Amino acid sequence: KAGVTQTPRYLIKTRGQQVTLSCSPISGHRSVSWYQQTPGQGLQFLFEYFSETQRNKGNFPGRFSGRQFSNSRSEMNVSTLELGDSALYLCASSLGTGTGGGETQYFGPGTRLLVL
Amino acid sequence: AQTVTQSQPEMSVQEAETVTLSCTYDTSESDYYLFWYKQPPSRQMILVIRQEAYKQQNATENRFSVNFQKAAKSFSLKISDSQLGDAAMYFCAYSGRGSTLGRLYFGRGTQLTVWP
Repeated sequence: KAGVTQTPRYLIKTRGQQVTLSCSPISGHRSVSWYQQTPGQGLQFLFEYFSETQRNKGNFPGRFSGRQFSNSRSEMNVSTLELGDSALYLCASSLGTGTGGGETQYFGPGTRLLVL
Repeated sequence: AQTVTQSQPEMSVQEAETVTLSCTYDTSESDYYLFWYKQPPSRQMILVIRQEAYKQQNATENRFSVNFQKAAKSFSLKISDSQLGDAAMYFCAYSGRGSTLGRLYFGRGTQLTVWP
């Protein structure tokens, strides 16, 4: 089975622009979670989608949004980019069959975003 | 709120030796899951091992094993017969149920260096 894929892998934007990142989960996985990784804050949870619905959301401003399509692919969008948004953005997929937690999340290679 | 603490920012080990990475967590939940992920320089997050809190038996995966102490809320990772390829950042992660659905809480990581 192919793993989680993320596009693009690298991105350079300027302040004030917006950006859209894409994540394709492992075939058969219905849950996609997004994380931001920075040296200062570590790994922080952005949101999680299951069956096109956002089930959980972290503590990020409204500039960060996401969506999931019927084929489970997910996108996240950041509007009005700030310098502090420079980070590695990781997505992870899991089966999403349970109502409880604990499912193993499988991560993509990440998108490295640099905001100038 | 759930918190995960890794008190060792850096560790080093000689090739073929054994090393133990520490992790403690704080939660009020009784049912949860714990994970160790490794992140090599490629930044791809890779699952190392998973532990279900209701299971008394410590999880093992080849050279990797955990020491899970539920009462002490401790979850350490032991790497036996260390190899050069084990060099990476190791993250301890927690997953609960209910409101934390689809979300992993990560520690700040331990950078492991393996010396030949």
